[in-house]
Amino acid sequence: DIQMTQSPSSLSASVGDRVTITCRASQSISNFLNWYQQEPGKAPKLLIYSTSTLQSGVPSRFSGSGSGTDFTLTINSLQPEDFATYSCQQSYTMPWTFGQGTKVEIK
Amino acid sequence: QVQLVQSGAEVKKPGSSVKVSCEASGGTISRDAISWVRQAPGQGLEWMGGIIPTIGRPNYAQKFEERVTITADESTNTAYMEVSRLRSEDTAVYYCARGTMRSYLSVDYYMDVWGTGTTVIVSS
Repeated sequence: DIQMTQSPSSLSASVGDRVTITCRASQSISNFLNWYQQEPGKAPKLLIYSTSTLQSGVPSRFSGSGSGTDFTLTINSLQPEDFATYSCQQSYTMPWTFGQGTKVEIK
Repeated sequence: QVQLVQSGAEVKKPGSSVKVSCEASGGTISRDAISWVRQAPGQGLEWMGGIIPTIGRPNYAQKFEERVTITADESTNTAYMEVSRLRSEDTAVYYCARGTMRSYLSVDYYMDVWGTGTTVIVSS
């Protein structure tokens, strides 16, 4: 199975900050990497697919980049509604696997 | 847009079974790929397996092959996930989620609609 490792596990940031979350795959997954946002007690929500394509309705302050084994999710100008947990998921091969999540907290 | 509504919370004894349903409204899931993802308390997301209802043959992550059964009923637009021989470690929130059949069978599978989640507590 492909292992997905996110860093950091958690971070504290302020409204208006730029935040970067990293996801590393245990083998090359080309650009088949997705990002989800999950608020406490709610189901995950798809943010970005295929490394950098924003899902419909997702604000443009979110962006994704990377290829091969290393990927990044960037949130420009963090907003109050962005405080949540973010998870990456490889979509290269079954079993589809997720990172352990990165919790973005208010500083 | 399809919406996925799951069955309600369950409390089960160790060794028993639980069956969770995922009913679609606003569209048919026959030619979608429905996955089941679980999240133990304080833990990350874990893909358990999935099914394309019109094909009917499920796939499982190896960890779940022995105790999990995924099925779908096209006539009721509903997918099901059953866990047998429950253990305390199965205490989690279970989600169904949909993606496209094409990507599920190849690459680039992402889950764009998620169910409401079902909490399963296993306790004696």
